[in-house]
Amino acid sequence: GAVVSQHPSRVICKSGTSVKIECRSLDFQATTMFWYRQFPKQSLMLMATSNEGSKATYEQGVEKDKFLINHASLTLSTLTVTSAHPEDSSFYICSARPGQGVYNEQFFGPGTRLTVL
Amino acid sequence: SQQGEEDPQALSIQEGENATMNCSYKTSINNLQWYRQNSGRGLVHLILIRSNEREKHSGRLRVTLDTSKKSSSLLITASRAADTASYFCATDASDTGRRALTFGSGTRLQVQP
Repeated sequence: GAVVSQHPSRVICKSGTSVKIECRSLDFQATTMFWYRQFPKQSLMLMATSNEGSKATYEQGVEKDKFLINHASLTLSTLTVTSAHPEDSSFYICSARPGQGVYNEQFFGPGTRLTVL
Repeated sequence: SQQGEEDPQALSIQEGENATMNCSYKTSINNLQWYRQNSGRGLVHLILIRSNEREKHSGRLRVTLDTSKKSSSLLITASRAADTASYFCATDASDTGRRALTFGSGTRLQVQP
């Protein structure tokens, strides 16, 4: 199946710093990628939809100025958590789907665990 | 917001037994997918069932879909200790254009050796 990578896999940072997470589709092009967040023992919640060449679409309650998304190419989307605080500590997962068919499955990255001290 | 609700929230069984997890959703869908997640790890795609399909098999997995009841079930037969994980259903809604998946609340499965 198609492969999606994320980097870094784990990051620990101090409160107030910014952290960038990369999501890459390795063997396919993705005009749309998705960013999810998962708190411990909870399910995945969609944060935003990343569109290549245009602005991201954010879900209600997600601050676009805090979670900056850049989809610079058909294989790369980045999520930057700006001025991170301990409550931003979470597991961030991206996904992408090759093609636009309604039966295309999504492929998920391995996730990035962010810990803000 | 969460669309899917799963039950049970937690399930503990003995190796060799079957495990059944259920998922309900609220809107019309294009397809429904099941994923497995080991603790602290990424998602593993298990199976996708289309809205016009009623049942699908893959190895020890059997998935059913009832669009009239907006529900799906995942059956794992002859469970193994390695099946211990959280299982999520995820729906691809047909009445939105966004194409993101909406995840259920998940079932934590514990298979005792």
